[in-house]
Amino acid sequence: ETGVTQTPRHLVMGMTNKKSLKCEQHLGHNAMYWYKQSAKKPLELMFVYNFKEQTENNSVPSRFSPECPNSSHLFLHLHTLQPEDSALYLCASSPGGGHPSGANVLTFGAGSRLTVL
Amino acid sequence: AQTVTQSQPEMSVQEAETVTLSCTYDTSESDYYLFWYKQPPSRQMILVIRQEAYKQQNATENRFSVNFQKAAKSFSLKISDSQLGDAAMYFCAYYAGGTSYGKLTFGQGTILTVHP
Repeated sequence: ETGVTQTPRHLVMGMTNKKSLKCEQHLGHNAMYWYKQSAKKPLELMFVYNFKEQTENNSVPSRFSPECPNSSHLFLHLHTLQPEDSALYLCASSPGGGHPSGANVLTFGAGSRLTVL
Repeated sequence: AQTVTQSQPEMSVQEAETVTLSCTYDTSESDYYLFWYKQPPSRQMILVIRQEAYKQQNATENRFSVNFQKAAKSFSLKISDSQLGDAAMYFCAYYAGGTSYGKLTFGQGTILTVHP
């Protein structure tokens, strides 16, 4: 596989469930991101990891818990979510690591469509 | 804080015609990057074109070109010879550069419909 792969593509969960979103990149990138895409709103950056270290948490509620075990994998653990958390969650990666011209070009996954009942 | 505004929620174009999508942004930086991303229905977002603010020449990628007006803080995307496959949501995005990896600021998006 190439590019950025996200699983599952669709997820329906209750407010008391615990689930996880997975992202894997096969591009040799060093930086990975979670973005939230809600209807009629701009994409919102949630978390940034650079060389497995979290470098950005954009005031995301603690019911969203990211995990980056290595530069190729990124998880978003979900628990006690609210209906307003229903959205498309996009994972992205970039060369990162101080690469001046490449650090800013994101490669996105297809997204995980989350519905919270 | 930087903001990106796409004032056209929806646009439509006839196949083979030309369409221009608008984007304005607000920043106090002098050096930055601008992007147009395309998100087809139920498919992943891909980079269409990018522009470095220090370059005066407008970027072009085949049928896609931009009109970058730095003083006016305007960054429009022109799609020539529109094709059915161009139908998608288009996002304008701003990046301040430096070590703010991946911290793009996106506009609200413009849905482009292409009529055969």
